[in-house]
Formats: sequence, C-alpha cells, structure tokens
Amino acid sequence: QQQVKQSPQSLIVQKGGISIINCAYENTAFDYFPWYQQFPGKGPALLIAIRPDVSEKKEGRFTISFNKSAKQFSLHIMDSQPGDSATYFCAASRENYGQNFVFGPGTRLSVLP
Amino acid sequence: NAGVTQTPKFQVLKTGQSMTLQCAQDMNHEYMSWYRQDPGMGLRLIHYSVGAGITDQGEVPNGYNVSRSTTEDFPLRLLSAAPSQTSVYFCASSSGLDYYEQYFGPGTRLTVT
Repeated sequence: QQQVKQSPQSLIVQKGGISIINCAYENTAFDYFPWYQQFPGKGPALLIAIRPDVSEKKEGRFTISFNKSAKQFSLHIMDSQPGDSATYFCAASRENYGQNFVFGPGTRLSVLP
Repeated sequence: NAGVTQTPKFQVLKTGQSMTLQCAQDMNHEYMSWYRQDPGMGLRLIHYSVGAGITDQGEVPNGYNVSRSTTEDFPLRLLSAAPSQTSVYFCASSSGLDYYEQYFGPGTRLTVT
C-alpha cells in the first residue's frame, strides 16, 4: 500500500515536444504529491506539487494532472528543452507524516536538441 | 545560506568498518531526514527527525543509527558497513511551516567493499 509506481523508466523527447511521466499510488491516505527533478551529481529539487483537492496545477511549462478516483497523477513538460534533461521522481506523503515520503523509482528524461 | 550540506562527498569503506555521514542545515528547519538512493528504486527513507532530541525509523533503518542533539545537525552512523549499504545517501530538511517541501543536500556516494 505504500508503493508509488512510475513509468516510463526512460524517455527520449525532441526539443519542443511534450514529455509525459505517469505515477500511480495505492494508499488513499496520501494527500500530497510532489515531483522532484534531479541532475547528475546533485540532490533532488522540488519542481511542482499538488494536493488532491485540485485536478491540475500548472507552473510555467510544468503541469501536474491528478486523477483521484484512478489514484494516478502525471507530470507534463511542455515545449521540452535540452536543459530539462534530468531524472524525475514522483512522490507521495500523508499529512502528519511530513517526513515520510514514498518515492517512485524515477524516470530519466533526455531531450534531444 | 549554505542550505543543506553533507560531508564527505565520496567514501570507500571495507566491510565491517563504521563511519558517520555528516549533515547540517542553516535554515533553522525542524524536520530532517536521511534517504538512500539506489538505481531503479528511487529514494528510500532511512531515519527522520521532527526536532532536536526526537528521531524515528523510516522504511530501511537496519544498520544505521541517528541522533539529533541540535537543530542544525543530523549525522547518520553506519555501525558495521556491509556491501548492501553501497549507495548514494541524501540528507533533507524542511521547516515546520510548510513541512512538505524538502530541501536536499548534494549527497554522499558510499562504496563498501
């Protein structure tokens, strides 16, 4: 019940294209769903996050879509750029368990120039 | 602010040796945690702390000890290193205000031979 599944494992997109990464969870008690971006040799950095009271959140070229009934959420990167090439992790957490994040296995995104 | 700092960046240990990974933050954050990152498995929580003097176990605590004597520091101790502990270790911190947003350190790459 604690698992967060993530797909695809790797993704190659042309510059200007749309990158889509999907995640699914089982525990309905999760109430916070962040996406982290990690560049080689660096720690993960928070990219964007959503709570289940909204179905979509957009920040610049990054959008999270959330489907509570399906227990799925996805990250869309519009107009993908070579600088977006990184590993992306979805995660989930519960209120009052602020440090107990469960992470997906990650998606390595390569954006070709 | 330096943010979250970790030392050392790299470490090689022999099986059975012990060592301490250091983590410090200068943001006066109450919450601190340790994760390990292994290929294809995302980040897994080892131990976490919700304030000085308070620690708790995460998903994979065996073989590791922590203590939190100050708000700033949260060291991770490997008691008797094993090859299975070869990994990249990340420390993270977050404030009590919006405690979901975690700030990660740059990581320590540990190899146990």
